[in-house]
Parts: sequence; structure tokens; C-alpha cells
Amino acid sequence: DSGVTQTPKHLITATGQRVTLRCSPRSGDLSVYWYQQSLDQGLQFLIQYYNGEERAKGNILERFSAQQFPDLHSELNLSSLELGDSALYFCASSAHRGTEAFFGQGTRLTVV
Amino acid sequence: GQNIDQPTEMTATEGAIVQINCTYQTSGFNGLFWYQQHAGEAPTFLSYNVLDGLEEKGRFSSFLSRSKGYSYLLLKELQMKDSASYLCAVGSTNAGKSTFGDGTTLTVKP
Repeated sequence: DSGVTQTPKHLITATGQRVTLRCSPRSGDLSVYWYQQSLDQGLQFLIQYYNGEERAKGNILERFSAQQFPDLHSELNLSSLELGDSALYFCASSAHRGTEAFFGQGTRLTVV
Repeated sequence: GQNIDQPTEMTATEGAIVQINCTYQTSGFNGLFWYQQHAGEAPTFLSYNVLDGLEEKGRFSSFLSRSKGYSYLLLKELQMKDSASYLCAVGSTNAGKSTFGDGTTLTVKP
């Protein structure tokens, strides 16, 4: 158990819909990262927050947004969903910038 | 930006040794990480190198040469459970995050 909690574990939704994925980082970790992993592909960095502020942005679509709340949990919002958004979405946390990241078990999103 | 290259696939025999290479280009280098990921599961941290040289941890060792932009992960006494994807990730002080390579899928055969 990495100490990072993601909910829900599985999500099936229709095209055009909007979903929210939730992540609770390890206790004390200030950095939260979101990654997308499509089938048989590598981890694609989406966005990073540090202590409530956005710190880095990757190839995140405009239809996607995220935030980190004062209690340090984070949410990733995906809207106007398309079939190609089906993937595993991982959240990871680390104590500081540049230290090892601990990953949650992921949310498997299926868009039908 | 950052560029990370590692082989897509490797195959090795149970009990053998395998070396997985990773080359990278980055600005503001702040360490190199190796993660293991079994299919459908979360990546788990294996090792971290920030200085040149070899870090040994049980059956796994990781090496770094900053001047060459090169690292390798060495797995000894391979076991069937070592079949997984191995991800090289580079930390950057500029980006404040780690960028992952696409991973090397290792298959261990009896």
C-alpha cells in the first residue's frame, strides 16, 4: 500500500459526459501529480500541484482540469468525454519536488 | 524539454541477469528514478540515482552517468515475477516533476 488513495477504482460513462476523479496523497506529501496511461502505452504526465498551486502542466487537454484543495487532496475533472479518453488515470504524490513519487492504484475510465 | 529513450521490449531467462538501459536529455537534472509496473497496476519505486555510480539494492542495481546522460537497471537472479514494465524517469529542477520514458517490457521465460 503506497498510502495514496484514488477513487473510484473503475468508472464507465458515455461519450459527452463529465467525470471527477479523486486522489488523497500520502500523509504529509505536498506534491500531487496526475498521469494518463492508455492501453499498452507509457505514462503521460498531465499536471502537477504543489501545496495547492499548479506547478507544472503536461499534455493536458483543455477539456480536462484539476485542482488541489487546502487539505491537499486533488481532483481531476474530465469533460466532454471521448472514446479516446478511455485509460488508466494515476495519481502520485511526493514529499518534495524531485523526490520519488508514490502512486495510487489508478482509476480505470472506460468511455462507451 | 526532456527526452528519454529506453528499449521497448526485452526477454531473458529465469535465473539470468538483464540490463535495461535508459538515455536521457534534460535541463536542470535532478535525479533519475526507476519504477516497476506490472500490467494494470500502479508503478512502484525501485531506485533513485542523483550522483554518478552504482546503487545496489538486493537483486536490483541502478547506475548513472550524468555526463553521458545514461543509466541502467540491472536485475540479477531473474524470477518469473520480474516480468513487468520498467520505467525510467528523470527529475528536473526546472520542471519540478519527473518525466517518464515509455517503459521497457521485460518478459522472463523459464
